[in-house]
Amino acid sequence: ELKVEQNPLFLSMQEGKNYTIYCNYSTTSDRLYWYRQDPGKSLESLFVLLSNGAVKQEGRLMASLDTKARLSTLHITAAVHDLSATYFCAVEIGNQFYFGTGTSLTVIP
Amino acid sequence: NAGVTQTPKFRVLKTGQSMTLLCAQDMNHEYMYWYRQDPGMGLRLIHYSVGEGTTAKGEVPDGYNVSRLKKQNFLLGLESAAPSQTSVYFCASSYVPLRGVKVTEAFFGQGTRLTVV
Repeated sequence: ELKVEQNPLFLSMQEGKNYTIYCNYSTTSDRLYWYRQDPGKSLESLFVLLSNGAVKQEGRLMASLDTKARLSTLHITAAVHDLSATYFCAVEIGNQFYFGTGTSLTVIP
Repeated sequence: NAGVTQTPKFRVLKTGQSMTLLCAQDMNHEYMYWYRQDPGMGLRLIHYSVGEGTTAKGEVPDGYNVSRLKKQNFLLGLESAAPSQTSVYFCASSYVPLRGVKVTEAFFGQGTRLTVV
């Protein structure tokens, strides 16, 4: 059974601080996606990671993929309030997307 | 730029009633998916389709049926709604850029909030 686990599930952090969200998955895949969801809204694509060692950055967010460790990280640098949202990772297996449970991030002024 | 459109956005059903959720995409995507989102459980795949006229079961298909008669539409049906089907339902679509290449990212609709009482 494929498992996609994120931790932490809940994260409260102060503005200006750094933190990392982890996404572990239990089967081989070289395609990993990160999405953002605001309350009551749909999912917005953040990053598409398509190979081992892939690193992508957008603003204060940086995502990386280690397919050998079956691990992806989403690093937040100098958090700001606008980053408050729920973040999901998803693994692609057989043209299907399997999602983690999500990390609810709250950035406190 | 419509993208993926779901109707309705909200619905309240009584136990045992039936309904159909409609998903329409205007991006000519081959792949379409139905997910349900429940607190603490992320998104779970209900059914998916790899092309017009084809459907397949996902992780949690029981109690749901789907149809894809046209490439742009993917319908999710609840034949006899149960309170356990209270959830937020998301439709998504994706495409294969080249033959033999895997799908790209999934594009999501705005969601349908369904309550079964």
